[in-house]
Amino acid sequence: AQSVTQLGSHVSVSEGALVLLRCNYSSSVPPYLFWYVQYPNQGLQLLLKYTSAATLVKGINGFEAEFKKSETSFHLTKPSAHMSDAAEYFCAVSENSGAGSYQLTFGKGTKLSVIP
Amino acid sequence: KAGVTQTPRYLIKTRGQQVTLSCSPISGHRSVSWYQQTPGQGLQFLFEYFSETQRNKGNFPGRFSGRQFSNSRSEMNVSTLELGDSALYLCASSFRLVLGAGESANQPQHFGDGTRLSIL
Repeated sequence: AQSVTQLGSHVSVSEGALVLLRCNYSSSVPPYLFWYVQYPNQGLQLLLKYTSAATLVKGINGFEAEFKKSETSFHLTKPSAHMSDAAEYFCAVSENSGAGSYQLTFGKGTKLSVIP
Repeated sequence: KAGVTQTPRYLIKTRGQQVTLSCSPISGHRSVSWYQQTPGQGLQFLFEYFSETQRNKGNFPGRFSGRQFSNSRSEMNVSTLELGDSALYLCASSFRLVLGAGESANQPQHFGDGTRLSIL
């Protein structure tokens, strides 16, 4: 079974500072990787996904993630944090469960706080 | 295009009761997955339905069940509720491409806002 590790359950940055959220995965095959964001009392919103077409993936709201196979990492970054970025972020890997079914395995999440 | 709709948004039940949650996927999406989110265990996969058939099931007891209708809407049912079933239940839909010998390509899953179930 695949697994996802998010380093840091809580990250605080100042408004305007770089956001870096870390994600490492374990997979024996090229993975399908995703980042989702969850605002309070809401579901998960897709930020971006890795599709193997490019190692640097751009997503919504100015976020991007870089796939590094040698490091089995898929870290999420944003050059300048905004107050509205405060939320919980989840890294996920899509695993083939057989019979054409895929399921998402999530990391434990990183709660991002933005300090004005 | 309407997103994934889950009803109800909030539910309070007592131990021993049963509950049914509903999920309407994005139009055209035929795959529906359910996840349980708790502070302690995080997000855990419950099951996936595609074309009215359960394709995959996570590591949950038989008290958790589901079904999918011909219009792709899905319901999940939890019987004999326990305090530990208190959670946010999330439904996700995706568009599956069926290729060749029945293998499905992966598409991102789109989530609803969830049903928050509280057990007293």
